[in-house]
Amino acid sequence: DAKTTQPNSMESNEEEPVHLPCNHSTISGTDYIHWYRQLPSQGPEYVIHGLTSNVNNRMASLAIAEDRKSSTLILHRATLRDAAVYYCILSKGGSQGNLIFGKGTKLSVKP
Amino acid sequence: DGGITQSPKYLFRKEGQNVTLSCEQNLNHDAMYWYRQDPGQGLRLIYYSQIVNDFQKGDIAEGYSVSREKKESFPLTVTSAQKNPTAFYLCASSRSGTEKAFFGQGTRLTVV
Repeated sequence: DAKTTQPNSMESNEEEPVHLPCNHSTISGTDYIHWYRQLPSQGPEYVIHGLTSNVNNRMASLAIAEDRKSSTLILHRATLRDAAVYYCILSKGGSQGNLIFGKGTKLSVKP
Repeated sequence: DGGITQSPKYLFRKEGQNVTLSCEQNLNHDAMYWYRQDPGQGLRLIYYSQIVNDFQKGDIAEGYSVSREKKESFPLTVTSAQKNPTAFYLCASSRSGTEKAFFGQGTRLTVV
């Protein structure tokens, strides 16, 4: 299965944009890119996902490189509630789909 | 409200006993998943099911068993063969492998 690589931790200041990178150099053509985040002692929460084109929703934006070997999750204005572990995950399309999590990036937000 | 429910939230068992963790969803999702999370680590896939009466092993299936007799239910049994069962267990569901997944709040299992 294709793997993802993320930095272990990142820091941000409140109300500033945050760019969380993810490398997935062995991604295949049918793999979707998902982002989830997890607060301590809670289940992960869906953030965004995409296949080839950049995606926007009310939580974040997902920028996907043209060769799809990397992607970036963008939080436009970080808040203290955005402090969490962020996971970049690949899932296969069709009946083989499942979500394989890595260790994620722990985002700290400073007031 | 639609969602995915895990019970109980905390579970204590003696070593050598089998224990079953419940996971129920009323989202009409076809796919369901079980993950294990150890302190400071990411989630590891135990089992997943894309459809009723069918399931597949994940990366760490040894010592665990599942069933999928109904679309809305995907219970996980932690057997005595699992050598280190103390962990945080998370269940999830999605319409398909390409759709977003919804997670339960988890069950923290402690084996003493």
